[in-house]
Amino acid sequence: DAGVIQSPRHEVTEMGQEVTLRCKPISGHNSLFWYRQTMMRGLELLIYFNNNVPIDDSGMPEDRFSAKMPNASFSTLKIQPSEPRDSAVYFCASGSSGGIYNEQFFGPGTRLTVL
Amino acid sequence: RKEVEQDPGPFNVPEGATVAFNCTYSNSASQSFFWYRQDCRKEPKLLMSVYSSGNEDGRFTAQLNRASQYISLLIRDSKLSDSATYLCGGNTGFQKLVFGTGTRLLVSP
Repeated sequence: DAGVIQSPRHEVTEMGQEVTLRCKPISGHNSLFWYRQTMMRGLELLIYFNNNVPIDDSGMPEDRFSAKMPNASFSTLKIQPSEPRDSAVYFCASGSSGGIYNEQFFGPGTRLTVL
Repeated sequence: RKEVEQDPGPFNVPEGATVAFNCTYSNSASQSFFWYRQDCRKEPKLLMSVYSSGNEDGRFTAQLNRASQYISLLIRDSKLSDSATYLCGGNTGFQKLVFGTGTRLLVSP
């Protein structure tokens, strides 16, 4: 079975440019999570969706960040305009809601460098 | 205080040793906990879900102590391939997980 798919795997861009990260969750999963990982702050939850609806976006750092989930098999995280401090690895994870043991499975990540 | 805290290590152990990590959490309402393994420049991979008081999977044992609000991961007979960073995660609400910063393990020959 295919796991969580993310693209691109690496992105290098210049400050001020728009960046769009993409994620395809595991088929059948109804929850999707966007995380950011840096050495300084570790793994932080940015936003998560359940049944395509954003549930909690309190981790989104500022208005430059936005996320959408137009259908059950696709989500995007957009940064506009990008800044050097946005450089990090961005992970998408998916899982199934229902019950209290809700495991999450991570994609390979997008390594973003903003110059 | 961070919601989930871990000793960053590194823990340096020889092959065959037994090693244990602890992870403390502050939200007493947390219901489920997880250990993930993360290799350098890779994604976190689910190692174990921590059910009830604890569970075992081969060389790995995870335990939950609700009274003291910590979970532990015990690795027996360490292998070189166990070298990685181990992340502890606890839920803080509907499906929302908060992770510690990870504990680095180095297993040497």
